[in-house]
Amino acid sequence: GAVVSQHPSRVICKSGTSVKIECRSLDFQATTMFWYRQFPKKSLMLMATSNEGSKATYEQGVEKDKFLINHASLTLSTLTVTSAHPEDSSFYICSARVQVGVAFFGQGTRLTVV
Amino acid sequence: QKEVEQDPGPLSVPEGAIVSLNCTYSNSAFQYFMWYRQYSRKGPELLMYTYSSGNKEDGRFTAQVDKSSKYISLFIRDSQPSDSATYLCAMSAGLGGAQKLVFGQGTRLTINP
Repeated sequence: GAVVSQHPSRVICKSGTSVKIECRSLDFQATTMFWYRQFPKKSLMLMATSNEGSKATYEQGVEKDKFLINHASLTLSTLTVTSAHPEDSSFYICSARVQVGVAFFGQGTRLTVV
Repeated sequence: QKEVEQDPGPLSVPEGAIVSLNCTYSNSAFQYFMWYRQYSRKGPELLMYTYSSGNKEDGRFTAQVDKSSKYISLFIRDSQPSDSATYLCAMSAGLGGAQKLVFGQGTRLTINP
């Protein structure tokens, strides 16, 4: 299957700082990327959908000013958690798909805010 | 009622057993059905993908879709300890553009040596 690379795999940051997570499609052009959040022993919760070159569409209840998503190219999307707080600690996962096709997932990023 | 229901388990079986994992759904618009495997602290890995009703086999894995019953299954034959993971079913009405995947809760599976 296609390869989606997500970095970093783990990050610890201080409360109040911002953290950027990168998601790259390595061997295909991803017209759409999705960002999920996953709590322990829970399923994936969709946060937002981003299309290359346009603004992301956020799910209800997700603060767009806190979770900034940029999809500047067909192979790269970034999620920036701004002014992070301990309640933002979670596992964040991106996925990417070609224009029509199944979605492939990155390895996930475990964010811990202390 | 959730759009997709999946028994979270945990499910524990001995090595070599046949494992059956299932999901039910309520949205008749779903046409594409996927099974993902997720190891602890990793992203989901696509295992199987089927369109509409029918069976699909890939090695030790068989996916079944019964749209009339709104029921999908994943069978694992000759289960191995390395199959121990959380299995997520996912489905969508289409695969284009921003079509969203709707996930089940995931079933935690342990294969005991």
